[in-house]
Amino acid sequence: DQQVKQNSPSLSVQEGRISILNCDYTNSMFDYFLWYKKYPAEGPTFLISISSIKDKNEDGRFTVFLNKSAKHLSLHIVPSQPGDSAVYFCAARRGGSQGNLIFGKGTKLSVKP
Amino acid sequence: EADIYQTPRYLVIGTGKKITLECSQTMGHDKMYWYQQDPGMELHLIHYSYGVNSTEKGDLSSESTVSRIRTEHFPLTLESARPSHTSQYLCASSAREGWDSPLHFGNGTRLTVT
Repeated sequence: DQQVKQNSPSLSVQEGRISILNCDYTNSMFDYFLWYKKYPAEGPTFLISISSIKDKNEDGRFTVFLNKSAKHLSLHIVPSQPGDSAVYFCAARRGGSQGNLIFGKGTKLSVKP
Repeated sequence: EADIYQTPRYLVIGTGKKITLECSQTMGHDKMYWYQQDPGMELHLIHYSYGVNSTEKGDLSSESTVSRIRTEHFPLTLESARPSHTSQYLCASSAREGWDSPLHFGNGTRLTVT
């Protein structure tokens, strides 16, 4: 049973507009969440993270929002650029576990010029 | 720019062969991991290590084995490859204890067993 769900396999956005990638989770013990970006033929690279004690974390064009009551987080990219086209993975970590991330299936973002 | 290196990048091999996927990192990280990913699917943890001579099985059962004799090196071995082992294998490492330590991934090995 999937504990981290990314229900949209793909998303297409025009350059300059906002991209919103969504992630839902089922385990209330998760207390740390991360987003990774993956280009073809490369490994995932860390993008941004958020602790469960926060509801928002911002880094440049990237903002992650966490809604604990809904067990939902989202990644906002503003403005979107063609170089952002990649697969984005949401991941979560249980409190007390050391490094064992649970990943979603990913959302493929295409940013069109 | 990768500080964690995986070789080979691609491997096509016949059933029954023994293979070793190499993973090395130059960051001095204590913690290392192997993930397996099929196309369009999530990454599944198959092995991890918290330091030299420490290895543990991950959430996904795997017929592979690992060793950690040196901090920088974490190879994965399949004694007898089968078509069901066809997948992408990703190695990762992380530095700090606790919750705020993101994983650094290598570029992966895409394994095809014929």
